[in-house]
Amino acid sequence: DAGITQSPRYKITETGRQVTLMCHQTWSHSYMFWYRQDLGHGLRLIYYSAAADITDKGEVPDGYVVSRSKTENFPLTLESATRSQTSVYFCASRDGNQETQYFGPGTRLLVL
Amino acid sequence: QQQVKQSPQSLIVQKGGISIINCAYENTAFDYFPWYQQFPGKGPALLIAIRPDVSEKKEGRFTISFNKSAKQFSLHIMDSQPGDSATYFCAASLKGSARQLTFGSGTQLTVLP
Repeated sequence: DAGITQSPRYKITETGRQVTLMCHQTWSHSYMFWYRQDLGHGLRLIYYSAAADITDKGEVPDGYVVSRSKTENFPLTLESATRSQTSVYFCASRDGNQETQYFGPGTRLLVL
Repeated sequence: QQQVKQSPQSLIVQKGGISIINCAYENTAFDYFPWYQQFPGKGPALLIAIRPDVSEKKEGRFTISFNKSAKQFSLHIMDSQPGDSATYFCAASLKGSARQLTFGSGTQLTVLP
Protein backbone atom coordinates (compact mmCIF):
# COMPACT_ATOMS: atom_id res chain seq x y z
CA ASP A 1 0.00 0.00 0.00
CA ALA A 2 2.34 2.71 -1.30
CA GLY A 3 -0.25 5.50 -1.56
CA ILE A 4 1.38 8.64 -2.81
CA THR A 5 5.14 8.97 -3.09
CA GLN A 6 7.46 11.79 -4.03
CA SER A 7 11.03 11.77 -5.24
CA PRO A 8 13.57 12.94 -4.50
CA ARG A 9 12.88 13.76 -0.88
CA TYR A 10 15.71 16.28 -0.78
CA LYS A 11 17.31 18.19 -3.63
CA ILE A 12 19.99 20.86 -3.81
CA THR A 13 20.44 22.62 -7.12
CA GLU A 14 21.86 25.81 -8.52
CA THR A 15 20.18 28.84 -10.00
CA GLY A 16 19.32 28.35 -13.65
CA ARG A 17 19.27 24.55 -13.61
CA GLN A 18 16.25 22.51 -14.59
CA VAL A 19 14.79 20.35 -11.85
CA THR A 20 12.00 17.78 -12.01
CA LEU A 21 10.12 16.63 -8.95
CA MET A 22 8.26 13.35 -9.28
CA CYS A 23 4.91 12.35 -7.84
CA HIS A 24 3.35 8.90 -8.09
CA GLN A 25 0.07 7.62 -6.65
CA THR A 26 -1.24 4.06 -6.59
CA TRP A 27 -4.92 4.82 -6.01
CA SER A 28 -5.85 5.80 -9.58
CA HIS A 29 -7.19 9.09 -8.24
CA SER A 30 -8.31 11.36 -11.03
CA TYR A 31 -7.19 14.63 -9.43
CA MET A 32 -3.60 15.50 -8.59
CA PHE A 33 -2.16 18.70 -7.16
CA TRP A 34 1.17 20.39 -6.55
CA TYR A 35 1.59 22.77 -3.62
CA ARG A 36 4.53 24.66 -2.23
CA GLN A 37 4.85 25.31 1.49
CA ASP A 38 6.61 28.40 2.75
CA LEU A 39 6.68 29.79 6.27
CA GLY A 40 3.89 32.30 6.76
CA HIS A 41 2.09 31.31 3.57
CA GLY A 42 0.72 27.90 4.36
CA LEU A 43 0.40 25.77 1.25
CA ARG A 44 -0.16 27.44 -2.09
CA LEU A 45 -1.40 25.64 -5.16
CA ILE A 46 0.97 25.62 -8.13
CA TYR A 47 -0.82 23.40 -10.65
CA TYR A 48 -3.48 20.75 -10.64
CA SER A 49 -4.76 18.07 -12.97
CA ALA A 50 -8.26 16.66 -13.32
CA ALA A 51 -7.18 13.66 -15.42
CA ALA A 52 -4.43 12.51 -17.75
CA ASP A 53 -3.57 15.25 -20.25
CA ILE A 54 -5.71 17.83 -18.39
CA THR A 55 -3.83 20.38 -16.32
CA ASP A 56 -4.55 23.88 -15.05
CA LYS A 57 -2.81 26.68 -13.21
CA GLY A 58 -3.19 27.34 -9.53
CA GLU A 59 -2.30 30.39 -7.48
CA VAL A 60 1.48 30.46 -8.11
CA PRO A 61 2.27 28.77 -11.47
CA ASP A 62 5.02 31.06 -12.78
CA GLY A 63 8.33 29.27 -13.35
CA TYR A 64 6.79 25.80 -13.20
CA VAL A 65 5.67 23.30 -15.82
CA VAL A 66 3.62 20.15 -15.33
CA SER A 67 2.56 17.23 -17.45
CA ARG A 68 0.38 14.22 -16.89
CA SER A 69 0.67 11.53 -19.52
CA LYS A 70 -0.40 8.76 -17.10
CA THR A 71 -3.03 8.92 -14.37
CA GLU A 72 -0.60 7.83 -11.67
CA ASN A 73 2.21 10.31 -12.37
CA PHE A 74 2.29 14.08 -12.11
CA PRO A 75 5.83 15.50 -12.47
CA LEU A 76 6.60 19.13 -11.68
CA THR A 77 9.46 20.81 -13.55
CA LEU A 78 11.27 23.98 -12.65
CA GLU A 79 12.62 25.00 -16.03
CA SER A 80 15.22 27.43 -14.70
CA ALA A 81 15.38 27.31 -10.92
CA THR A 82 15.53 30.54 -8.94
CA ARG A 83 16.32 31.08 -5.26
CA SER A 84 12.72 32.10 -4.65
CA GLN A 85 11.72 28.55 -5.55
CA THR A 86 13.50 27.20 -2.48
CA SER A 87 10.61 25.56 -0.67
CA VAL A 88 8.99 22.32 0.38
CA TYR A 89 6.87 20.87 -2.40
CA PHE A 90 3.90 18.62 -1.75
CA CYS A 91 1.99 16.52 -4.18
CA ALA A 92 -1.57 15.50 -3.38
CA SER A 93 -4.29 13.43 -4.98
CA ARG A 94 -8.04 13.12 -4.67
CA ASP A 95 -10.66 10.68 -5.84
CA GLY A 96 -13.19 12.37 -8.11
CA ASN A 97 -16.11 11.43 -5.83
CA GLN A 98 -14.60 12.60 -2.56
CA GLU A 99 -13.32 15.87 -1.12
CA THR A 100 -10.35 14.57 0.83
CA GLN A 101 -6.92 15.30 -0.60
CA TYR A 102 -4.12 12.92 0.34
CA PHE A 103 -0.64 14.38 0.53
CA GLY A 104 2.73 12.90 -0.21
CA PRO A 105 5.70 13.23 2.16
CA GLY A 106 7.12 16.27 0.36
CA THR A 107 10.31 17.25 -1.43
CA ARG A 108 12.57 19.77 0.24
CA LEU A 109 14.26 21.83 -2.49
CA LEU A 110 17.14 24.22 -1.94
CA VAL A 111 18.20 26.46 -4.82
CA LEU A 112 21.64 28.00 -4.33
CA GLN B 1 -8.39 36.85 -4.25
CA GLN B 2 -9.78 33.98 -2.26
CA GLN B 3 -8.23 34.04 1.18
CA VAL B 4 -8.38 32.16 4.41
CA LYS B 5 -6.87 33.94 7.40
CA GLN B 6 -5.66 31.84 10.32
CA SER B 7 -4.64 32.75 13.85
CA PRO B 8 -2.66 32.46 16.01
CA GLN B 9 0.59 31.73 14.23
CA SER B 10 1.80 29.73 17.23
CA LEU B 11 0.17 28.37 20.35
CA ILE B 12 1.55 26.84 23.53
CA VAL B 13 -0.82 24.88 25.74
CA GLN B 14 -0.36 22.80 28.85
CA LYS B 15 -1.22 19.12 28.74
CA GLY B 16 -4.92 18.68 29.42
CA GLY B 17 -5.78 22.19 28.27
CA ILE B 18 -7.93 23.34 25.39
CA SER B 19 -6.29 24.46 22.14
CA ILE B 20 -8.26 26.85 19.96
CA ILE B 21 -7.30 27.88 16.43
CA ASN B 22 -9.36 30.34 14.45
CA CYS B 23 -9.90 30.91 10.74
CA ALA B 24 -11.85 33.47 8.74
CA TYR B 25 -12.75 33.35 5.09
CA GLU B 26 -13.98 35.85 2.53
CA ASN B 27 -15.63 33.90 -0.25
CA THR B 28 -19.16 32.93 0.73
CA ALA B 29 -19.18 30.35 -2.06
CA PHE B 30 -16.79 28.11 -0.12
CA ASP B 31 -18.71 24.98 0.84
CA TYR B 32 -16.16 22.64 2.40
CA PHE B 33 -13.85 23.47 5.31
CA PRO B 34 -11.21 20.90 6.30
CA TRP B 35 -8.50 21.03 8.92
CA TYR B 36 -5.19 19.38 8.21
CA GLN B 37 -2.58 18.25 10.72
CA GLN B 38 1.09 18.15 9.81
CA PHE B 39 3.94 16.62 11.79
CA PRO B 40 7.55 17.64 11.11
CA GLY B 41 8.91 16.06 7.97
CA LYS B 42 5.51 14.72 6.91
CA GLY B 43 2.80 15.78 4.54
CA PRO B 44 -0.46 17.27 5.84
CA ALA B 45 -3.20 14.79 6.71
CA LEU B 46 -6.92 15.43 7.00
CA LEU B 47 -7.99 15.77 10.62
CA ILE B 48 -11.63 16.80 10.45
CA ALA B 49 -13.88 18.69 8.03
CA ILE B 50 -17.22 20.49 8.06
CA ARG B 51 -19.80 21.84 5.64
CA PRO B 52 -21.56 25.17 6.23
CA ASP B 53 -24.96 23.58 6.80
CA VAL B 54 -23.93 22.52 10.32
CA SER B 55 -22.59 24.65 13.17
CA GLU B 56 -20.46 22.05 14.86
CA LYS B 57 -18.77 18.74 14.18
CA LYS B 58 -17.02 16.64 16.76
CA GLU B 59 -14.66 13.72 16.31
CA GLY B 60 -13.14 12.50 19.54
CA ARG B 61 -11.21 15.35 21.15
CA PHE B 62 -11.40 17.50 18.01
CA THR B 63 -14.31 19.84 17.31
CA ILE B 64 -14.96 22.29 14.50
CA SER B 65 -17.23 25.24 15.30
CA PHE B 66 -18.65 27.04 12.28
CA ASN B 67 -20.23 30.50 12.20
CA LYS B 68 -21.62 31.08 8.73
CA SER B 69 -22.84 34.64 9.34
CA ALA B 70 -19.43 35.72 10.66
CA LYS B 71 -17.58 33.70 8.02
CA GLN B 72 -15.45 32.12 10.70
CA PHE B 73 -14.63 28.61 11.83
CA SER B 74 -12.41 27.25 14.53
CA LEU B 75 -10.75 24.06 15.70
CA HIS B 76 -10.97 23.11 19.35
CA ILE B 77 -8.70 20.40 20.74
CA MET B 78 -9.93 19.22 24.11
CA ASP B 79 -7.62 17.60 26.66
CA SER B 80 -4.61 18.52 24.54
CA GLN B 81 -1.78 16.00 24.59
CA PRO B 82 1.94 16.31 23.76
CA GLY B 83 1.27 14.05 20.76
CA ASP B 84 -1.00 16.77 19.38
CA SER B 85 2.04 19.02 18.92
CA ALA B 86 2.02 19.72 15.20
CA THR B 87 1.19 22.39 12.66
CA TYR B 88 -2.50 22.81 11.91
CA PHE B 89 -3.89 24.28 8.72
CA CYS B 90 -7.43 25.33 8.03
CA ALA B 91 -8.58 25.31 4.43
CA ALA B 92 -11.60 25.96 2.26
CA SER B 93 -12.74 24.84 -1.15
CA LEU B 94 -15.35 25.55 -3.77
CA LYS B 95 -17.60 23.00 -5.38
CA GLY B 96 -16.80 22.55 -9.05
CA SER B 97 -13.31 24.01 -8.81
CA ALA B 98 -11.52 20.65 -8.79
CA ARG B 99 -11.94 21.12 -5.04
CA GLN B 100 -8.77 23.21 -4.95
CA LEU B 101 -7.89 23.91 -1.35
CA THR B 102 -7.14 27.45 -0.21
CA PHE B 103 -5.09 27.12 2.96
CA GLY B 104 -4.61 29.33 5.97
CA SER B 105 -1.05 30.18 6.97
CA GLY B 106 -0.84 27.52 9.67
CA THR B 107 -0.62 27.36 13.47
CA GLN B 108 2.26 25.65 15.21
CA LEU B 109 0.84 24.00 18.33
CA THR B 110 3.08 22.94 21.19
CA VAL B 111 1.55 21.00 24.05
CA LEU B 112 3.77 21.00 27.10
CA PRO B 113 3.91 17.80 29.21
